[in-house]
This record gives sequence, C-alpha cells and structure tokens, in this order.
Amino acid sequence: EAQVTQNPRYLITVTGKKLTVTCSQNMNHEYMSWYRQDPGLGLRQIYYSMNVEVTDKGDVPEGYKVSRKEKRNFPLILESPSPNQTSLYFCASSLAGGPSGANVLTFGAGSRLTVL
Amino acid sequence: DQQVKQNSPSLSVQEGRISILNCDYTNSMFDYFLWYKKYPAEGPTFLISISSIKDKNEDGRFTVFLNKSAKHLSLHIVPSQPGDSAVYFCAASGWSWGKLQFGAGTQVVVTP
Repeated sequence: EAQVTQNPRYLITVTGKKLTVTCSQNMNHEYMSWYRQDPGLGLRQIYYSMNVEVTDKGDVPEGYKVSRKEKRNFPLILESPSPNQTSLYFCASSLAGGPSGANVLTFGAGSRLTVL
Repeated sequence: DQQVKQNSPSLSVQEGRISILNCDYTNSMFDYFLWYKKYPAEGPTFLISISSIKDKNEDGRFTVFLNKSAKHLSLHIVPSQPGDSAVYFCAASGWSWGKLQFGAGTQVVVTP
C-alpha cells in the first residue's frame, strides 16, 4: 500500500529534550515536506525537500532541522523543543516538482507533539 | 500573513442539502488551487483541484468554482452526506517552487 509513515504518532516531552519525528514514504517520491497544524492557522510548511540532499525552509522553520540522506526518509529534528512547538505535525510527499499543478500531496497520519 | 483565507471556521448543513465552502486568496501569482479533506486522526487527503485557466471543475458530487478577478474560490458539495463531515482545507500553489499555501480550514458537520 502506498503510504507515508510517521513515528511516533503521539509524544509528550519536556522543554529542551531533543527529539526526532521520523517520516518514510514507499512511493519513490522525490518531494517531501513537513507541516504543522495549529488551530486557526491551518497547515503551515516547516521545511521541504525537492530531492536527496536538497532541503529548503518553509514558512515556519525556526527551531527545526531536517535532513534528506535517502529518498524515502525525511526526519524532523527538534534540537531543543519549547512549548510553542506543541502542535500536530504532518509529513507529506509528492512526485518530482513538488506540489505544483496536478502533483498532489500524500500525507502521513500525523504526529501529535506536546512539549511541557 | 496568510495568503489563503477561509473565513468560516465551521459550517453545519442538513443531509441532502448543498454545502458551500469559501476561500479567498491575495497572491495573484497562484496558478493552481486544491481542496483537501481531513478526518480526525488522519492526514489530509486530496479532494479536487482547479487550474487558474479554468473557472469550474466537477468531480461527482464535488464542484470547485474559481473567480480570478475576485480572487475567490468555492467548493460545492451536492448532495451533502454524513461521510462528508470533516475539515476542508483550501490550498494554492504556483507562486514559489516547492511551496503550497493552506487556509485555516472549515469544519463541516452534516446532520441527518
């Protein structure tokens, strides 16, 4: 089954404790991206990657890091989490060229992160 | 500054009636518009899209209308069904490579 898999699905952590949210896709998609969903703000892009070793900032990159060493994986790293990073996170992927024209995004099921 | 706006956070509609969801945008460089649907505890899934060269696209019960001069699009669901109860996100692309801009979402509740 074609899918985007995120882990963990739920996580409660404390301020300053480094964490990684993993994302893996099995569709051989070149483009991958991370979004966060917050009430009243919708989905905001954190980082995206057009291909292996190519990453770029989205609209809200502060406090996050990413890497794209393999095509299928795109982990999101919070080096020193803070309470304002409490959110619902989504990883997504699409065909080459990213979400333009008819290239739609396939989303993972989401990771709910709480930072105390 | 949000470039895609969904000003109605929620919408309640009776089963069998029409649901109309609205979306406004500010960036004239957008050239493709999409609607995504999201159920609780799931990721958003693609619903329907429209290119800026068209003013209407239809797929079964779902129709999207685009008014470029007003920078406005709408999604019509006819007839509405209980399974349509979800959050609907409007999204736009084309102004910046690799980026997709989402609205805040509209929660639709279809009542029997």
